[in-house]
Amino acid sequence: AQTVTQSQPEMSVQEAETVTLSCTYDTSENNYYLFWYKQPPSRQMILVIRQEAYKQQNATENRFSVNFQKAAKSFSLKISDSQLGDTAMYFCAFMKQGAGAGKSTFGDGTTLTVKP
Amino acid sequence: DTAVSQTPKYLVTQMGNDKSIKCEQNLGHDTMYWYKQDSKKFLKIMFSYNNKELIINETVPNRFSPKSPDKAHLNLHINSLELGDSAVYFCASSQRGGGASYNEQFFGPGTRLTVL
Repeated sequence: AQTVTQSQPEMSVQEAETVTLSCTYDTSENNYYLFWYKQPPSRQMILVIRQEAYKQQNATENRFSVNFQKAAKSFSLKISDSQLGDTAMYFCAFMKQGAGAGKSTFGDGTTLTVKP
Repeated sequence: DTAVSQTPKYLVTQMGNDKSIKCEQNLGHDTMYWYKQDSKKFLKIMFSYNNKELIINETVPNRFSPKSPDKAHLNLHINSLELGDSAVYFCASSQRGGGASYNEQFFGPGTRLTVL
């Protein structure tokens, strides 16, 4: 079974600064996907960024980037130039690839507050 | 256009009642999911259907019964509601196979269920 751990229940950052949210996971699989989802107060779950385990290059989406360390089973999210709209709960998620794919395991979430 | 829709968005009911939550996706995806998010915001998968076939059934009481009449719909029926069933229930869909983009899950807006 896979587990996903987000060790920071809450974080805060000043507007325009950079913040990194940590995520570690445990799996015996070699092929899988990793995702970061954002859940603002509106409750809607929104995909922020995704990474395929076989790709060594770290994924980047505008101000969001990841530091994927496969050997260390670490998948941290860096938010640059933080904006007030980034205030949300962030979930790290793992999904197995191939047979048995489809089940996502989510971390417990990190609540991020961006302060003006 | 709404990609994944759920009805109702809010549901308040008495203990012991039976209720249903409906989910529809217009993305052409072949896999749909139900998640439960409790008061601590922990997100846990309950069920997953691929092409109307149940593929994931986590440890969920028998009072919860999913039904998928076709690929675009996955409904959740709950019998004999209990106080502990109060939570936000999310429906999601994805397209299995391929790279990470095919496994990205699109979430509905959630249904907040309150059992009194």
